[in-house]
Amino acid sequence: AQSVAQPEDQVNVAEGNPLTVKCTYSVSGNPYLFWYVQYPNRGLQFLLKYITGDNLVKGSYGFEAEFNKSQTSFHLKKPSALVSDSALYFCAVRDMGDGNNRLAFGKGNQVVVIP
Amino acid sequence: DVKVTQSSRYLVKRTGEKVFLECVQDMDHENMFWYRQDPGLGLRLIYFSYDVKMKEKGDIPEGYSVSREKKERFSLILESASTNQTSMYLCASVDSIETQYFGPGTRLLVL
Repeated sequence: AQSVAQPEDQVNVAEGNPLTVKCTYSVSGNPYLFWYVQYPNRGLQFLLKYITGDNLVKGSYGFEAEFNKSQTSFHLKKPSALVSDSALYFCAVRDMGDGNNRLAFGKGNQVVVIP
Repeated sequence: DVKVTQSSRYLVKRTGEKVFLECVQDMDHENMFWYRQDPGLGLRLIYFSYDVKMKEKGDIPEGYSVSREKKERFSLILESASTNQTSMYLCASVDSIETQYFGPGTRLLVL
């Protein structure tokens, strides 16, 4: 079964500094990888995904993520964080070697951007 | 744009009540999901459906049932609400390239 680990509960970063949110995954086949963001009292919004192709994926709001197969990682990055990026971030994986179409979500990372 | 709507943003129910949470999507997606979200636990899958009248259990189906009579509508039912079902409930539908689109969520409080 697929699983995702987001090792840090909270990430604090000063406005204007680079932001990184870490994600590692475990699958038996090839992964489809996703990042979602959740603002307070809202549903999850899709940011970006890796299906195949270039390891560097660009998404919404200036975010990008790099797929690293050898390290089984899919870290989310933004070169210059904004206060409005403060939110809860979820990494998710679907195992294409499995027969189901379910996503496994990580526990989420709270990002706090300090003005 | 894909739109997923949920019938209520906030609900307060009493222990033992039957609770219906409804989800509607407008993009003709076949696959729909119900999750619950709790602090520190992330999203946990309750049930999902890959077609009308088809359903499969997720990781935590106990105490819940679902109904999918029409393609656009996926309902989550709490047969007899309990306090440990106080949570945020999220519905999602999936497009043909695997992206899940979420509704705004229903925050349920069971007293």
